[in-house]
Amino acid sequence: EAGVTQFPSHSVIEKGQTVTLRCDPISGHDNLYWYRRVMGKEIKFLLHFVKESKQDESGMPNNRFLAERTGGTYSTLKVQPAELEDSGVYFCASSYLGVNTEAFFGQGTRLTVV
Amino acid sequence: KNEVEQSPQNLTAQEGEFITINCSYSVGISALHWLQQHPGGGIVSLFMLSSGKKKHGRLIATINIQEKHSSLHITASHPRDSAVYICAVRSGGAQKLVFGQGTRLTINP
Repeated sequence: EAGVTQFPSHSVIEKGQTVTLRCDPISGHDNLYWYRRVMGKEIKFLLHFVKESKQDESGMPNNRFLAERTGGTYSTLKVQPAELEDSGVYFCASSYLGVNTEAFFGQGTRLTVV
Repeated sequence: KNEVEQSPQNLTAQEGEFITINCSYSVGISALHWLQQHPGGGIVSLFMLSSGKKKHGRLIATINIQEKHSSLHITASHPRDSAVYICAVRSGGAQKLVFGQGTRLTINP
């Protein structure tokens, strides 16, 4: 069974450009989460999808970030326009619905804004 | 102050030593996770605990709900155990995880 996959693995963009990160969850996982680790800090929650609906987007830093999960399968996270402080590693995780189901993480996308 | 605190932040030990990494949290939780990330690698779930103790190979995780504290132990440590170990909690009814800052473990041969 394929795990959680993220594309790209690395991205270097200039300040002001747009970047779109993609996450393909494990098939059948209705929960999909985005997290981010910025340099030297702990991993922080961005948002949570249940199927195609945003269940919790309290961690989204500002309106330059837009997440979608059309059809309840893969998800995209777009940053537009990117700023220097957006640099970090973006992780996606997925899990089955239910209480305390195990979350499986992707390899992460390392985003560098220069 | 972070809701989840780990100690130590960095730990270097010799192969074969017994390793303990600690995690304290300040919120009510429904579950606590121990995760592992090797350099350049993704995050792998080691344990999910809501009470007591779990063991998998040389790894043991314990949790004390009353004291809001968990420990991850590694017996007979090996250089391949070198990684960042992360404690994360699921708080109350929320589904999201709240993470500690991680403990970077280096095991020297």
